[in-house]
Order: sequence, then structure tokens, then C-alpha cells
Amino acid sequence: EPEVTQTPSHQVTQMGQEVILRCVPISNHLYFYWYRQILGQKVEFLVSFYNNEISEKSEIFDDQFSVERPDGSNFTLKIRSTKLEDSAMYFCASSPRAGGNQPQHFGDGTRLSIL
Amino acid sequence: SQQGEEDPQALSIQEGENATMNCSYKTSINNLQWYRQNSGRGLVHLILIRSNEREKHSGRLRVTLDTSKKSSSLLITASRAADTASYFCATDAAGGGNKLTFGTGTQLKVEL
Repeated sequence: EPEVTQTPSHQVTQMGQEVILRCVPISNHLYFYWYRQILGQKVEFLVSFYNNEISEKSEIFDDQFSVERPDGSNFTLKIRSTKLEDSAMYFCASSPRAGGNQPQHFGDGTRLSIL
Repeated sequence: SQQGEEDPQALSIQEGENATMNCSYKTSINNLQWYRQNSGRGLVHLILIRSNEREKHSGRLRVTLDTSKKSSSLLITASRAADTASYFCATDAAGGGNKLTFGTGTQLKVEL
């Protein structure tokens, strides 16, 4: 069964550095998402992406964050000038079609640790 | 309280018993979904119920939705040790695009 893959599984970075988290969504999916889960807290929506542009973003997704689909397969989340509070699990997800009532398929996440 | 609150927060049962988890939410929704998360892993989609549906089954899973009470329940019948995981409800708010708002989760432990 096709799956969403994320790399790396664990990223350790010094505060202030930039990180890029990578995702390969399911190949025929059209909607892409990033969520994060701070340890012990809820999974929180960051951003959705459709047709090569951001379709929705949360208040968490400020100028520090950006997303890109640099080619036909990868979907990346860039975090500039990382802060301690950016430490979390970051999940990528994709869904097959535009419109609601679509299950989202999640990757196993990247654990980001900011030192 | 926030959108998507599950109860109980933790549930421990014996293998073969049924497990029931509840979820409450605040806003109008397009659909409600249930996900499972094994420790250290991603979220696995279990079942989606649309706002105009009241009950849905998938294998050993039964989901109900009461939009008048803004609540849902997930029943796992004849539980197995492999069902041990955290279970989350997630709502797709009406007019809210496709983003999911997750609940706090129920940690289910099924003991042999």
C-alpha cells in the first residue's frame, strides 16, 4: 500500500539554525499538509498546500516557516532561525482529491530537537 | 474546553473486552475522523464519518456521531493487545478548508 515517507526520522539542530524537513506524499494525491505535535500535546495543523500554493495556514505558521514542492514528488517544510520551542514531531500528510470528506494519510514524522 | 476533547484520557482493559472512547467538539463539521497512533509512529486513519451520517462500521470498529450533541464515540469490539495505542478524533470544520483539528487523545492499553 502506498505511504507517505518523511526524512530524516530525527533531526538535531542548534538553536538559530535552519532546518528542512522532507516528505514524499502519495504519488496521486493533490493536497499536502504539515502538522506538528509537541511532546504530550495535541497534533496541531500548520499548513495545507494545493496546486503549488498555500491554501490555508495556522497562526503558528509565521514568517519563520515556509513550504515548497520543488519537484513532482517532494514536499518540504523549512524552519528558519529555529527556537527551542520548535522542538516537536512534525508530520506530513496528503489526501487524494480536492474537497472535503477525504481521509488524510500521515507519514511517521520527523522528530526535531533544538538544542 | 477546546475543539476535540476525548475521554477517557486513558483506558486499560483486558483482551477480548470492548473499548469505548468518546470525543466532543465545538464547531459545525463536515466530517469527523478517528486516527490511531502507535508510540513513536505516525497517525493511521481508521474511519471517517460524514456530518449527515449517524453510525458507521469498519471491521471491529463502530463509530457514532451525534451532531446535536457535538459528540462522537469509537467502539472497538473484541480488543486485542495489538490495539494498544493512542486514539484521536479529528474534525474537518464546516467552511474550514481541509485542515483537521485533533483532540487530546485516549491512550488505550489492552492487556493479555
